[in-house]
Amino acid sequence: DTGVSQDPRHKITKRGQNVTFRCDPISEHNRLYWYRQTLGQGPEFLTYFQNEAQLEKSRLLSDRFSAERPKGSFSTLEIQRTEQGDSAMYLCASSLTTGGANEQFFGPGTRLTVL
Amino acid sequence: AQSVTQLGSHVSVSEGALVLLRCNYSSSVPPYLFWYVQYPNQGLQLLLKYTSAATLVKGINGFEAEFKKSETSFHLTKPSAHMSDAAEYFCAVSEGGAQKLVFGQGTRLTINP
Repeated sequence: DTGVSQDPRHKITKRGQNVTFRCDPISEHNRLYWYRQTLGQGPEFLTYFQNEAQLEKSRLLSDRFSAERPKGSFSTLEIQRTEQGDSAMYLCASSLTTGGANEQFFGPGTRLTVL
Repeated sequence: AQSVTQLGSHVSVSEGALVLLRCNYSSSVPPYLFWYVQYPNQGLQLLLKYTSAATLVKGINGFEAEFKKSETSFHLTKPSAHMSDAAEYFCAVSEGGAQKLVFGQGTRLTINP
C-alpha cells in the first residue's frame, strides 16, 4: 500500500519539550497539507506545500510551529516549547493538482499528548 | 471565507434505516464540496465529492449526496444503514487556489441493532 504515512502515530511529551512529526505523501503528489484536529472538532488547516515551496503558513498557530518539505517529498512539522493546548491529532494529506477538485488523501495522523 | 455547518453533532439510527447527515455551506463562488468519514484512531477517507458535474453525487459504501444551490446544502444520505457505517462524518468545502479544506465540526453516526 502506498498511501500517506505519518510517524510517529502517538507522541507523549512533557510541556516545554520540542517535538517533530514526519509525513510521507503519496509519491507522485505535489501538494502536501497539514491539519490539526482537536477532540470533537473537524480538522483545521495549518499550512501547505506545493512541491518544496511553502505557499501558505498564515494559519500556523504560533511561531512555535514550523514545517518543512526540503526536497518536495516528505515533510516535517515541528512544535517548539510544547504547551498542553498543543495536544491534538496532527493530520497530513497529499494531493495531485489536476485542474479540478483535487482529492486529498489523508494519513492516519499523529496523536500528540502534552503532559 | 468559506464555512461549513453540520447540523447535529450526533445522529443515531437503527440498522436498516435511512441515514441523513446534514451539511450547509457558505461560499462566494461555486464550491467544491466533500464528505469524509473517519473511523476511530484513523485518518479521513473520502466518501464523495461535488465538482459541479452533477448535483446528485454517488460515493462509496452506498452513500450519496445532493447539491442544492438554493439551499446551500450538501446533505449525505444512505438508504439503509449498516453497523459498519458507525463513524464520524465530516463535510468540507475547498477554499482558494490552494484548495485547502474547511471542515464542519463533524457528526458522529451511531447504528443501533
